[in-house]
Amino acid sequence: EAQVTQNPRYLITVTGKKLTVTCSQNMNHEYMSWYRQDPGLGLRQIYYSMNVEVTDKGDVPEGYKVSRKEKRNFPLILESPSPNQTSLYFCASGLSTDTQYFGPGTRLTVL
Amino acid sequence: GQQVMQIPQYQHVQEGEDFTTYCNSSTTLSNIQWYKQRPGGHPVFLIQLVKSGEVKKQKRLTFQFGEAKKNSSLHITATQTTDVGTYFCAGPNWINNNNDMRFGAGTRLTVKP
Repeated sequence: EAQVTQNPRYLITVTGKKLTVTCSQNMNHEYMSWYRQDPGLGLRQIYYSMNVEVTDKGDVPEGYKVSRKEKRNFPLILESPSPNQTSLYFCASGLSTDTQYFGPGTRLTVL
Repeated sequence: GQQVMQIPQYQHVQEGEDFTTYCNSSTTLSNIQWYKQRPGGHPVFLIQLVKSGEVKKQKRLTFQFGEAKKNSSLHITATQTTDVGTYFCAGPNWINNNNDMRFGAGTRLTVKP
């Protein structure tokens, strides 16, 4: 089944404790990206990747890191999480920017 | 930077009534996409419009792309309870060579049976 998976689905952590949210797709897509969704603000892109070893900043990259060592994986790293990073995070993939297939989401709470 | 604005933020309708959401970009878009997110779910791609003035239909849904490629609309005829959700428009960031995506804030539709 073609899909985008994210782990964990739910995470509660404390300020400053490094965390990684994994994202994997099995559709051989070149384009992958991370979004955060906050009430009233819609989806805001954090980082995106056009292909392996190619990443670039989206609209709200501060406080986040990503890597793209393999085509199927695009982990999101929060080196020192803060409460303002409490949000619902979505990973997405696509052949390009034309159509995005979204993962199920990760709800992160930073205390 | 590029802004994508969507109105209204909320819309509550009686089942059977029509619904329209509007999307406006501060810059010309190469294409515009529409997504639907059910409550508790993730965004799901509905359609992409590319040509100026383009109109596409999917059953009761009609999508339009403006002549100047800066605005778009989604119209649902005779809403059903299955239409409940938040509808987002999205477009590539023209300024940044179309590689990053900008989403509108979404229109949340509720339907009273």
